[in-house]
Amino acid sequence: DAGVIQSPRHEVTEMGQEVTLRCKPISGHDYLFWYRQTMMRGLELLIYFNNNVPIDDSGMPEDRFSAKMPNASFSTLKIQPSEPRDSAVYFCASGRAGYGYTFGSGTRLTVV
Amino acid sequence: GQSLEQPSEVTAVEGAIVQINCTYQTSGFYGLSWYQQHDGGAPTFLSYNALDGLEETGRFSSFLSRSDSYGYLLLQELQMKDSASYFCAAPPEGGYQKVTFGIGTKLQVIP
Repeated sequence: DAGVIQSPRHEVTEMGQEVTLRCKPISGHDYLFWYRQTMMRGLELLIYFNNNVPIDDSGMPEDRFSAKMPNASFSTLKIQPSEPRDSAVYFCASGRAGYGYTFGSGTRLTVV
Repeated sequence: GQSLEQPSEVTAVEGAIVQINCTYQTSGFYGLSWYQQHDGGAPTFLSYNALDGLEETGRFSSFLSRSDSYGYLLLQELQMKDSASYFCAAPPEGGYQKVTFGIGTKLQVIP
């Protein structure tokens, strides 16, 4: 298994631009999570899906953030418009109930 | 709500044993997980305690006491490669899924 695959690994964009982060979960995992990690706030859960359905998006910081999971093998996290304070490492993780999560390698986002 | 507390930094000597504590406050509880993260890397799942007691996996062990709202990760025979951040994590309520992470403990192993 290739694990959870995220793209891109690094993204540098200008303030105001749209950013789309992508994730391919492990086949057979029915939960998918988007986390954001910063030095100040640690790992924050943004949103999670169960069987492609968004279950809890209370961690999404504001309306500029949106996430979709059109099918079991793909999810996106979009930020529009991006701001410098969005700079962080964004992780996607997948898992099954009763087991630990598997994280992707993350996308390091820098908004200048 | 839910909160997890763990020490921010720990230093230990190669070959020694180190214990990383985690206390939690939550309105519901479904178990405690531990993750390891090396600098620049992704969190990696280490263990999950759903019941009280000790779970052992090689050099790593994890303990949970529900009555004390407390758990710990025990690392034995420390190796330099164990230098990393260690996170305890728990779902506040509603089941396994909505896992929240502590701020993490940065472990430095010195020769």
